[in-house]
Amino acid sequence: QQPVQSPQAVILREGEDAVINCSSSKALYSVHWYRQKHGEAPVFLMILLKGGEQKGHEKISASFNEKKQQSSLYLTASQLSYSGTYFCGQGAQKLVFGQGTRLTINP
Amino acid sequence: NAGVTQTPKFQVLKTGQSMTLQCAQDMNHEYMSWYRQDPGMGLRLIHYSVGAGITDQGEVPNGYNVSRSTTEDFPLRLLSAAPSQTSVYFCASSRTGPPMNTEAFFGQGTRLTVV
Repeated sequence: QQPVQSPQAVILREGEDAVINCSSSKALYSVHWYRQKHGEAPVFLMILLKGGEQKGHEKISASFNEKKQQSSLYLTASQLSYSGTYFCGQGAQKLVFGQGTRLTINP
Repeated sequence: NAGVTQTPKFQVLKTGQSMTLQCAQDMNHEYMSWYRQDPGMGLRLIHYSVGAGITDQGEVPNGYNVSRSTTEDFPLRLLSAAPSQTSVYFCASSRTGPPMNTEAFFGQGTRLTVV
């Protein structure tokens, strides 16, 4: 069963912050985050493991709440290069992805 | 370093035709998988493999077959193409399989149109 992402789309001005949420009806062992630019393949951002620490990647960080079966991706002081569609993925036996969140950063 | 290579990049099929999408990785990864991407639907898992000789179904397996005779290759077969299979197909691989705690590397995708 696919995890559920929210919001479906976000439009920001450069320098603003964004939060993308990912929730699952199943117990989470790990959560993956990927970014996909238009016409390209998804690219790995980070993995959060059960019991692990909050991870960071440049000005992008994420948290993982095991009890609530949720993860959130935080984009701080967004840059034009952050535009794209963000996917969370989860699964113990197989990797399944949410429907994606389209992020648009305007100058 | 080639990573994950998919061929072809583009393909047009007629309804009822069969074809095989190729996927190869040169990283000695255990886990390989196929996804389809349709607008608003995200990446949906078709089939996956945790090692040579072992495959299993994902979320949307109907109409597709896979096999994994070697660690490197994981072809996806469309048995009798239908317009509903028009999509972009991505192959991905990870160093380890379950419990899915290593990053996935994606191929560049195959854009398939069934007319």
